[in-house]
Amino acid sequence: DGGITQSPKYLFRKEGQNVTLSCEQNLNHDAMYWYRQDPGQGLRLIYYSQIVNDFQKGDIAEGYSVSREKKESFPLTVTSAQKNPTAFYLCASSRDISLYEQYFGPGTRLTVT
Amino acid sequence: GESVGLHLPTLSVQEGDNSIINCAYSNSASDYFIWYKQESGKGPQFIIDIRSNMDKRQGQRVTVLLNKTVKHLSLQIAATQPGDSAVYFCAEKGSSYKLIFGSGTRLLVRP
Repeated sequence: DGGITQSPKYLFRKEGQNVTLSCEQNLNHDAMYWYRQDPGQGLRLIYYSQIVNDFQKGDIAEGYSVSREKKESFPLTVTSAQKNPTAFYLCASSRDISLYEQYFGPGTRLTVT
Repeated sequence: GESVGLHLPTLSVQEGDNSIINCAYSNSASDYFIWYKQESGKGPQFIIDIRSNMDKRQGQRVTVLLNKTVKHLSLQIAATQPGDSAVYFCAEKGSSYKLIFGSGTRLLVRP
């Protein structure tokens, strides 16, 4: 099956620790995205990547970092600098950056205490 | 600035009735709009999209209407079923390649 996988589904961390969320896609899509979703709110863009070895900050990039070393993978690191890291994190991809239909993964719920 | 909002946070409909979910947008230059369905604890699923050169687009049991004059978008679901219960988001293409998402409308289907 083609699709986007995110792991783990639930993640718990202590405050002050960095944590990396996984996102893998086998759709052969060039573009990948990370969003954050808080309860009762829409999605806010953290980072996006048009192609391998390239990525751009979204609207709320502070406290986050990404890498895009492989086409299939776009991991997101939530650093200790992120003030309110507890949220639902969604990864998405699209065939290329100019095609706006984005396909989403199942999400990772991160809880930091 | 760019923003996408929704008129109603929660919509309750009787099973079998039609549902209409509304969305307002502020950027008159937006040329692409998309509706997503998100079930609890899952990622959003694509429902239907529409470009600004169209007023209406139909899919399976869903229709999207675009009124550029008043900057309004709606999603119509025919013969609403229990499986349609979810949060529905509209999004518009913002500057660069970003999608700007609204805060969502929760659709509850009463048996």
